Amino acid sequence: NAGVTQTPKFQVLKTGQSMTLQCAQDMNHNSMYWYRQDPGMGLRLIYYSASEGTTDKGEVPNGYNVSRLNKREFSLRLESAAPSQTSVYFCASSLFRDRVYGYTFGSGTRLTVV
Amino acid sequence: KNEVEQSPQNLTAQEGEFITINCSYSVGISALHWLQQHPGGGIVSLFMLSSGKKKHGRLIATINIQEKHSSLHITASHPRDSAVYICAVLNPGGGADGLTFGKGTHLIIQP
Repeated sequence: NAGVTQTPKFQVLKTGQSMTLQCAQDMNHNSMYWYRQDPGMGLRLIYYSASEGTTDKGEVPNGYNVSRLNKREFSLRLESAAPSQTSVYFCASSLFRDRVYGYTFGSGTRLTVV
Repeated sequence: KNEVEQSPQNLTAQEGEFITINCSYSVGISALHWLQQHPGGGIVSLFMLSSGKKKHGRLIATINIQEKHSSLHITASHPRDSAVYICAVLNPGGGADGLTFGKGTHLIIQP
């Protein structure tokens, strides 16, 4: 089925470890996003990529890096994980960033940092 | 920055009841999304609307651009409708603040 695929679905890290969350979409969307979801808060934008070859910071970028590998793939890297990064992470994509087109979300990655 | 407020935060109802979830925002928008998130699950887009009303099955979404307000209605509610419903607004123009999300409404439909 067409959509946004995120891996892994679950991950436990020790403080200081690094990892990369993978995201791929097969809808030929131009824009891709990484969000985090924490209890009692709305989803918050970490980084986005308006088009292939560009990335920009969102609301909460500290402690993260991203790579737009090609049009399909947008990865999120935690270089040195901290307990404050325990969250559920969602990747999303849309045809264009600031036009009235729908967003498609991945199924989420539940990350625990101990 | 757009402020998005949803009400109620939590709602428990009996099967068959008519459900209304409200969303208000502070700054003009390009469009508004209603999203559904089941426990432990991903996020599914239910509606995207910029004016008027949309209907899909038992779900109806309305938006009043002048009043900066949207509602999501569920008719003949069913336990499978139990989920978190999230309102998200698309802010016009470029920049980082594309979508701004509400905190969600936790809906439980009891048999």
